Amino acid sequence: QSALTQPASVSGSPGQSITISCTGTSSDVGGYNYVSWYQQHPGKAPKLMIYEVSNRPSGVSNRFSGSKSGNTASLTISGLQAEDEADYYCSSYTSSSTHVVFGGGTKLTVL
Amino acid sequence: QVQLVESGGGLVKPGGSLRLSCAASGFTFSDYYMSWIRQAPGKGLEWVSYISTGGSTIYYADSVKGRFTISRDNAKNSLYLQMNSLRAEDTAVYYCARVGSGYDFDSWGQGTLVTVSS
Repeated sequence: QSALTQPASVSGSPGQSITISCTGTSSDVGGYNYVSWYQQHPGKAPKLMIYEVSNRPSGVSNRFSGSKSGNTASLTISGLQAEDEADYYCSSYTSSSTHVVFGGGTKLTVL
Repeated sequence: QVQLVESGGGLVKPGGSLRLSCAASGFTFSDYYMSWIRQAPGKGLEWVSYISTGGSTIYYADSVKGRFTISRDNAKNSLYLQMNSLRAEDTAVYYCARVGSGYDFDSWGQGTLVTVSS
């Protein structure tokens, strides 16, 4: 069982917006602004999409945005495109001995 | 551009050992914390270990503590993971990743597959 909880799957049609949640505790998501999000296409390495809750690395589309409220972080993808179909993982710094925890991942299907 | 290339994966019997390497280029390796992250077949990501710029600060996931050792050679721009007492549950693709400013992983290698099986 992963330390951070994500929905197993979400779906949306091209052009729509979707949001993926990532729920933790006050020891990780709620306690620090060190939440990041990764996109992984099948057979490929993960790619950083959002860091420190809401910052986008250079080159990442502004259709991707991040936020946090309490112990839950969220990734929103607007204007869905076919190429957005992938697995998405959240991660957070944690005050526990593990230091970094990941969510179980969410499969995004673009209908 | 940042490039991370892992090597050293393969098939090993339970109880055996393996050493993974990660060759870094395109950035000042000695300026960054580095990490290993793994992904079992069909499963999610699991953080394994990270090491500070000079190697003095090291952390491990509880699942590998006492069996795995992370190290780096800044002169060779290389990161290593010595894996001992391997178990079937260590079977995974192992990724080398650069650690960003916020405990994020901003660059990843292509991964190397480790299979632990008799």
